[in-house]
Amino acid sequence: QSALTQPRSVSGSPGQSVTISCTGSSSDIGNYDYVSWYQQHPGKAPQLMIYDVNKRPSGVPDRFSGSKSGDTASLTIFGLQADDEADYYCCSYTGRSQVFGGGTKLTVL
Amino acid sequence: EVQLVQSGVEVKKPGESLRISCKGSGYTFTRHWISWVRQLPGKGLEWMGKIDPSDSYTSYSPSFQGHITISVDKSGTTAFLQWSSLEASDTALYYCARLASGVDYFDYWGLGTVVAVSS
Repeated sequence: QSALTQPRSVSGSPGQSVTISCTGSSSDIGNYDYVSWYQQHPGKAPQLMIYDVNKRPSGVPDRFSGSKSGDTASLTIFGLQADDEADYYCCSYTGRSQVFGGGTKLTVL
Repeated sequence: EVQLVQSGVEVKKPGESLRISCKGSGYTFTRHWISWVRQLPGKGLEWMGKIDPSDSYTSYSPSFQGHITISVDKSGTTAFLQWSSLEASDTALYYCARLASGVDYFDYWGLGTVVAVSS
């Protein structure tokens, strides 16, 4: 099972919006609505931000939004804040297992 | 409060065996699968495998199949990740994470266990 494909890095200024893409295949993202996104600050454990493509756990700001089209999922962060600077990982169910994306480093300029 | 408490730092030599643990509390442990996730130094997250604590059914990533063993204790509150023969390339941070359902997302994570393998 190959890792999902994410851009290595994205950046944006405070207040702007950024979108992180996550491309898989018909074996994972394209076949299941079980895409989740995780935020990881340096030295910390990952934290769930989005699940089931577009659902937000309680406590996650509505500035975070998820979507999916075909084999590609996306995480959009509106109104960037300094604390959003972190690594972001997508994850998809694959039929028997899970697979992560390679991770995207978000820099808030 | 749901918590996954992982065992501490391990420093081992190549060829040695190791078992690290992940103890769940604040919920019924047997109702949620537990996964193990590897993070190599400076790298991304890699899904290793998962176990259903209710019956010990396991599923492994092909990348790790045959090199690791995931298990749970009979009391049903602790999951384990085990190696019979460590390699230097196993040096990493290992997280356990709770699956909200058998197929879905990881809603709670442990703080991670550092494993360092060096001669």
